[in-house]
Amino acid sequence: RKEVEQDPGPFNVPEGATVAFNCTYSNSASQSFFWYRQDCRKEPKLLMSVYSSGNEDGRFTAQLNRASQYISLLIRDSKLSDSATYLCVVNQGAQKLVFGQGTRLTINP
Amino acid sequence: GAVVSQHPSRVICKSGTSVKIECRSLDFQATTMFWYRQFPKQSLMLMATSNEGSKATYEQGVEKDKFLINHASLTLSTLTVTSAHPEDSSFYICSALGSQETQYFGPGTRLLVL
Repeated sequence: RKEVEQDPGPFNVPEGATVAFNCTYSNSASQSFFWYRQDCRKEPKLLMSVYSSGNEDGRFTAQLNRASQYISLLIRDSKLSDSATYLCVVNQGAQKLVFGQGTRLTINP
Repeated sequence: GAVVSQHPSRVICKSGTSVKIECRSLDFQATTMFWYRQFPKQSLMLMATSNEGSKATYEQGVEKDKFLINHASLTLSTLTVTSAHPEDSSFYICSALGSQETQYFGPGTRLLVL
């Protein structure tokens, strides 16, 4: 079983749609959780941290369920510029980040 | 935000040669830096953790004699791919650990070994 598992997609959705990504992790001792986005041939960039209470940043909402070892990301009113690969990332301690394989998203005009 | 640079951004070399990649934290000091590798359509995989003034810690399956890491200052870590072969062709990305334990990623180095 992969340490961090994501649906690889690709997701193709029209502009303005709502998109949801899911992620599961296997190490119950994992300490912190993040969503990164990676554009083609570029480095990953932090999108947001994920907290158990859930957190929102504009059109983006992230949720963490520690009991189920499940992380989600919701993008509302999607824009063309949201097209990217979204990476679920888990900090297993000692700053060791484990990356999911990523979910590729394409927003169509 | 914090800035991390990598040099070179891309390199093409012949099989058997060695390639050095530099990772610099430009506006902060980083006692810890990380080296990742990403093959096409795959995720980032941590290769090693680089600590200033001490030996790097390598992940299982990563040969320390092939991937030499030097972290001689608080702003510079280098990764040398020794005797590179075509299977070493990949996207190498470093990150530097900044404040609040946030990792800041460099722009990556694309290595192609012919």
